[in-house]
Amino acid sequence: EVQLVESGGGLVQPGGSLRLSCAASGFTFSSYDMHWVRQATGKGLEWVSAIGTAGDPYYPGSVKGRFTISRENAKNSLYLQMNSLRAGDTAVYYCARWNSFDYYFDYWGQGTLVTVSS
Amino acid sequence: DIQMTQSPSSLSASVGDRVTITCRASQSISSYLNWYQQKPGKAPKLLIYAASSLQSGVPSRFSGSGSGTDFTLTISSLQPEDFATYYCQQSYSTPIFTFGPGTKVDIK
Repeated sequence: EVQLVESGGGLVQPGGSLRLSCAASGFTFSSYDMHWVRQATGKGLEWVSAIGTAGDPYYPGSVKGRFTISRENAKNSLYLQMNSLRAGDTAVYYCARWNSFDYYFDYWGQGTLVTVSS
Repeated sequence: DIQMTQSPSSLSASVGDRVTITCRASQSISSYLNWYQQKPGKAPKLLIYAASSLQSGVPSRFSGSGSGTDFTLTISSLQPEDFATYYCQQSYSTPIFTFGPGTKVDIK
């Protein structure tokens, strides 16, 4: 059974840093592109970052230069290092697996809440 | 970047109603369009991929259509478990993706 379990969320002050983790199981982690998607309370879904099987990262302009996505295939783990956090980064952060054959997110974690506030 | 819009932003409907949600892309995305359903406190769930392909296990009352810039999600007969928020997502500009703003379907 495919499982994605996020951790690392919490309360952080503006300008602070946080590192999210996503533990994957039930599939060959190294063979899949992985993504982070966030959702502010009561708002829509926002794509945050992606990492390919070769470790190539991608970001939207809203987080580029502040967030770093990485993966550790030996540990079946995905990470998101978030620096210079702003109030606008407050959201539930989901990790999601990308199905590269049919082009969709086929599995999602349960999410971890990040709150940026003083 | 490709922008996605959805209409309406919310709707009220009754059990048994036919419901149609529209998604529009700012440029042609061929058929690279997915639909997700999200219930409060839960992760999104894939309903339709490639504009019109029904994901395994999803009831056949859900259907999708369209190509290019205009797409539609239809629920043929709304059931109590279908009250949720629906998002479209373009997968054309891989791996940089965008979602629509969502359509909330609630009980009339």
